Amino acid sequence: GNSVTQMEGPVTLSEEAFLTINCTYTATGYPSLFWYVQYPGEGLQLLLKATKADDKGSNKGFEATYRKETTSFHLEKGSVQVSDSAVYFCALTSRSTGANSKLTFGKGITLSVRP
Amino acid sequence: EPEVTQTPSHQVTQMGQEVILRCVPISNHLYFYWYRQILGQKVEFLVSFYNNEISEKSEIFDDQFSVERPDGSNFTLKIRSTKLEDSAMYFCASTRSGTVSYEQYFGPGTRLTVT
Repeated sequence: GNSVTQMEGPVTLSEEAFLTINCTYTATGYPSLFWYVQYPGEGLQLLLKATKADDKGSNKGFEATYRKETTSFHLEKGSVQVSDSAVYFCALTSRSTGANSKLTFGKGITLSVRP
Repeated sequence: EPEVTQTPSHQVTQMGQEVILRCVPISNHLYFYWYRQILGQKVEFLVSFYNNEISEKSEIFDDQFSVERPDGSNFTLKIRSTKLEDSAMYFCASTRSGTVSYEQYFGPGTRLTVT
């Protein structure tokens, strides 16, 4: 079955530091990959996505590249801000089962950014 | 911007009681989902729903759970006899048919506390 593995957290960084959050996956078919973010007290918001190998998703300064050879989708940001403090979830859907495919999530990682 | 809404935001109930969690998906979406997140754990798929029937359900979604789309706008999750282990954040999500990337839009969640 499908699975997503995220690096262990939490992660604490100073403002303007470089961020990498690792994510690897196991999936059947041709998965689409996502990063969702959950700010304190709020629901899940889509941060970025990539639907095929070598695609790069980007949003709000965050980037992630779909690497089929390493089955990875690591999230990066060059300079984090205090407002980026949140929980980040890597997730996938397997396209082969159609548009009603379920999302499979990683455990999530809490990022705290200090001023 | 259209969004998924959920009510109530927090529900406290006694063990053995029935609860109904309500969701209003985005109006032109056709595929609907429920997920749950036990505190500190990963987001887990419960059920997907399309064309007035369940498309897929997880092992968690046993006979105590049911879903319904009683009218053109609401999508509900019912737990017939709640257990302590049902305490979690429950998220509703929806997606538009024909979306290649299978992006799902999440509501803010209902926190269910079973005492």
